[in-house]
Amino acid sequence: DTGVSQDPRHKITKRGQNVTFRCDPISEHNRLYWYRQTLGQGPEFLTYFQNEAQLEKSRLLSDRFSAERPKGSFSTLEIQRTEQGDSAMYLCASSLAGTSVTDTQYFGPGTRLTVL
Amino acid sequence: QQPVQSPQAVILREGEDAVINCSSSKALYSVHWYRQKHGEAPVFLMILLKGGEQKGHDKISASFNEKKQQSSLYLTASQLSYSGTYFCGTDRNKFYFGSGTKLNVKP
Repeated sequence: DTGVSQDPRHKITKRGQNVTFRCDPISEHNRLYWYRQTLGQGPEFLTYFQNEAQLEKSRLLSDRFSAERPKGSFSTLEIQRTEQGDSAMYLCASSLAGTSVTDTQYFGPGTRLTVL
Repeated sequence: QQPVQSPQAVILREGEDAVINCSSSKALYSVHWYRQKHGEAPVFLMILLKGGEQKGHDKISASFNEKKQQSSLYLTASQLSYSGTYFCGTDRNKFYFGSGTKLNVKP
């Protein structure tokens, strides 16, 4: 299966620790999105990349969050000094953007973060 | 900027129809519909690109009224497999999902 993969699937950490998540998109996809989802809510946009360029970043994303996609393939999302409010499912999605801004996003299984 | 969905929840018997609405206060360039089952990632259903466009496959279809900034998802003769939470999403560089409509289809 060559779908979107995320690692780890679950992460439990103590408040104040740093965590890093990885996303491997579908191989030919040039766009990669990160979302956060809490129980009962829709996915909340965090940031997206087109190839290696980070084009948009949510104002909700504090300075403790950083994302990279160094070679335009896999991406990492790092959260520094985690807080209990960071507990959520972190979803990654990828798409193939053509001449239109609209494209179909394929989601990975997510990384569930629990901050104690 | 987050689209508003209604209703928040629907309970149906197998074979009944349902309509889920999505509206935005901002101009919509496109509307995406996804379904998410409990504990799983969202799965793409369809994109609507043009004002007044309608799309559908199987017994799930959708319409998009660009002028009214609204989209509706129609589920006809619902099946048990339709159960899940349905999200609309809008694309304007950043991608915004609605808060979801939880659909429960019972036998």
